Parts: sequence; C-alpha cells; structure tokens
Amino acid sequence: AQKVTQAQTEISVVEKEDVTLDCVYETRDTTYYLFWYKQPPSGELVFLIRRNSFDEQNEISGRYSWNFQKSTSSFNFTITASQVVDSAVYFCALSEALFSGGYNKLIFGAGTRLAVHP
Amino acid sequence: EAGVAQSPRYKIIEKRQSVAFWCNPISGHATLYWYQQILGQGPKLLIQFQNNGVVDDSQLPKDRFSAERLKGVDSTLKIQPAKLEDSAVYLCASSLDEGNGYTFGSGTRLTVV
Repeated sequence: AQKVTQAQTEISVVEKEDVTLDCVYETRDTTYYLFWYKQPPSGELVFLIRRNSFDEQNEISGRYSWNFQKSTSSFNFTITASQVVDSAVYFCALSEALFSGGYNKLIFGAGTRLAVHP
Repeated sequence: EAGVAQSPRYKIIEKRQSVAFWCNPISGHATLYWYQQILGQGPKLLIQFQNNGVVDDSQLPKDRFSAERLKGVDSTLKIQPAKLEDSAVYLCASSLDEGNGYTFGSGTRLTVV
C-alpha cells in the first residue's frame, strides 16, 4: 500500500531562518512520482515540484530546495531564509505511474503547517 | 492557459439536503479527479475519470455520492443526502497523460449544518 508520512504537524520559525519539512513515503512500485504542494490560507493547492523515481538529483529553485533519497524513502523540502509569505500548509504527495502514461491518484500526507513570524 | 474552474466557491446546506458541484478541467486534459479535503487533513481521492470512464471510485461513498463526466470534459459531483461529516473542501483536478502534474481548482467549501 502507498503511504506518505509528514511527521511534523506544525513548525514555527522566525523570518530568515532556514526550515526543512520532512516527507517519508512507502510504495512497492518502482516507477512513481513525488510532489510538493503549498496550500496558503486562501485554500488553493499550488504545485511546487514533481520528481520521478528515477531522478534522484536534488533540485534548487530560488529559496526552495528538495532532497530526494530513495535509500531512506524520503523527499524533504527546505526553505532558505524563510519569509512571512511562506506561511502555509505544505503537502507531500505520492503517485504511481499509469501504464498509459500520466498519473494515478495522489496520496497525500497530512501536511505540515508552517508559520513564519516577522 | 485557463485553469481548472470550479463552482460554487462556497455552499452551506442543511443535513439531508442535496448539493452538486461543477468542474471544468483544463482543455485537453483527459484525466479528471475529485478530492475531498476535510479540515486539518490532506486531500483524499473520491473518484478519477479517464475521459468519460471511471478509473477509480473505490473511496467514493456510493450510497450518497455520485459523479459523472458525460462528454469527457466537465464533471459534476453530487451528494444526496448530505451528512454533517461531508463538510469539507471538494477539489477538482485535471492532468495530461504527459506533463508536469496535476492542476487543481480553487475548490468548493461545503458546510453541512
């Protein structure tokens, strides 16, 4: 069975601190996708990154970086020099690949609520 | 490119009433999903369509929930009769067979009183 665990329920930091959000996943599939989404107070889910199971390269996008380690089934997300606008709930999600291409359902973690204080 | 459109944005109904939500996916996206997000939880898939066929509805409470995507484009999700525990945000998403992932709509926040 597929499962995503985000052990950190809430994190509170002061602006400019670095913060890492943990994500651990379980799957028996060899081909799968991992995602991070941001959900600000307005409620929409904002896509941040997708990574497939064959690409273990870490990625950096501005202040955001992601560390994918298949050996520990983890896909952690780091925000460098956090800002108040980063305050949101962050979801890690897992999807198996379909034979026909594309994505099967997303299995979401419970989310981590990040509060960045001035 | 227009996003995934959902309506209404908010809905308040009494228990045992019925309600319907509408979703128009991104043009050309064959796969459409309905997710339920209860407050404080991650979204959970209710039903997945590939064109107008159902791929997965294993988590859909079929005694009260129904969904259709008749022409393989827009979709409607219905609850009849609603229960208090159905209070949640209902998110619609769509995806291409190949692409960067899902695109979610803004959701419909349902409150059952």
